[in-house]
Amino acid sequence: GQSLEQPSEVTAVEGAIVQINCTYQTSGFYGLSWYQQHDGGAPTFLSYNALDGLEETGRFSSFLSRSDSYGYLLLQELQMKDSASYFCAVGAAGNKLTFGGGTRVLVKP
Amino acid sequence: DTGVSQNPRHKITKRGQNVTFRCDPISEHNRLYWYRQTLGQGPEFLTYFQNEAQLEKSRLLSDRFSAERPKGSFSTLEIQRTEQGDSAMYLCASSSDLAETYNEQFFGPGTRLTVL
Repeated sequence: GQSLEQPSEVTAVEGAIVQINCTYQTSGFYGLSWYQQHDGGAPTFLSYNALDGLEETGRFSSFLSRSDSYGYLLLQELQMKDSASYFCAVGAAGNKLTFGGGTRVLVKP
Repeated sequence: DTGVSQNPRHKITKRGQNVTFRCDPISEHNRLYWYRQTLGQGPEFLTYFQNEAQLEKSRLLSDRFSAERPKGSFSTLEIQRTEQGDSAMYLCASSSDLAETYNEQFFGPGTRLTVL
């Protein structure tokens, strides 16, 4: 089976940097992804790591260490619109995703 | 490209009734997924199709749930004899074969089911 753990909630102020950690256990690994979901909205894809290292996409970066079964999402220059839930997900054959429980990020002015 | 659409957006039903949801994926996507999400949790995989073939079904899915994708385009998810525990948001997502290494799935807005 597969399981993922991430913190339930993080609060930060505008302009700050937030790191959301994700540890996983999986019987087969096809990469670690991150999705953002605003309240009442659909999850939207943010980033993907198949290999160790850092992937940068604008203000968001994602890191993976396969040997540690660990990854993180880094949110920089936080904006109010970044208030949302963030999910890590591991992929399996056929792109089936197993999601973590989500981290709710609250950005304060 | 209008994205993934789902209908209805909301469904309220009484326990024991049958319900059916529809998902229209992005037209060029051959993979379609159904997930269920409850408040404060991440989406939970239910089943997925490649074209019209249902390739995997979650062991958590009871036999009251059935899904079809008859022509490899839209899909339906039916829940028979609904129970209060079925109350959740049902999400549909689609992706293409080309996304094999990217795990990028495009989600619809979901159907929120409330079983009274």
